[in-house]
Amino acid sequence: AQSVTQLGSHVSVSEGALVLLRCNYSSSVPPYLFWYVQYPNQGLQLLLKYTSAATLVKGINGFEAEFKKSETSFHLTKPSAHMSDAAEYFCAVSGAGNEKLTFGTGTRLTIIP
Amino acid sequence: KAGVTQTPRYLIKTRGQQVTLSCSPISGHRSVSWYQQTPGQGLQFLFEYFSETQRNKGNFPGRFSGRQFSNSRSEMNVSTLELGDSALYLCASSLYLRRPFSGNTIYFGEGSWLTVV
Repeated sequence: AQSVTQLGSHVSVSEGALVLLRCNYSSSVPPYLFWYVQYPNQGLQLLLKYTSAATLVKGINGFEAEFKKSETSFHLTKPSAHMSDAAEYFCAVSGAGNEKLTFGTGTRLTIIP
Repeated sequence: KAGVTQTPRYLIKTRGQQVTLSCSPISGHRSVSWYQQTPGQGLQFLFEYFSETQRNKGNFPGRFSGRQFSNSRSEMNVSTLELGDSALYLCASSLYLRRPFSGNTIYFGEGSWLTVV
């Protein structure tokens, strides 16, 4: 069975500050890990994905995440927050040979002007 | 290239009725999956189809069903609607059912907002 835990249901950062959204995973097989973003009244947009090719993954909108097997973590970061980053962020995991995504509970990111 | 298209975007139904939601995947994508999103339960996997066959199913009652057509378009149906079925229903598509292809990304549609009154 696979699962992800997102620490912090709400995170607030000042505009220009570092964004750090935490995700820890549990998987009995090598995992595929994803970060999705959801803007109000919209579907999910893929930010980035980890598929074992590289531990540091760069995504869209300046976001990146680092896969750390020893810590079972896949935290999402962005060096400088922008007002347009305000949204809900979901970490998700799937296993090889399976299209099913298991999502975390989400983290709502608020940007303080 | 058009994304995943879901119709209708918004609908209101009465308890006890049934509803059918439609999803057109990205052109060339053969795998379609459905998710339910609610404030209380978050995002939960409903089912997944590939080549017109259900390949995976989540933990939902039999009132929730789906199908996939030969052109990969998919529908999901909820019968005997309950108030708790009010949710955002998201459809997602991808190229392949099986990984480890790194290009096998799952893309989501905008969702169908269902309100049951």
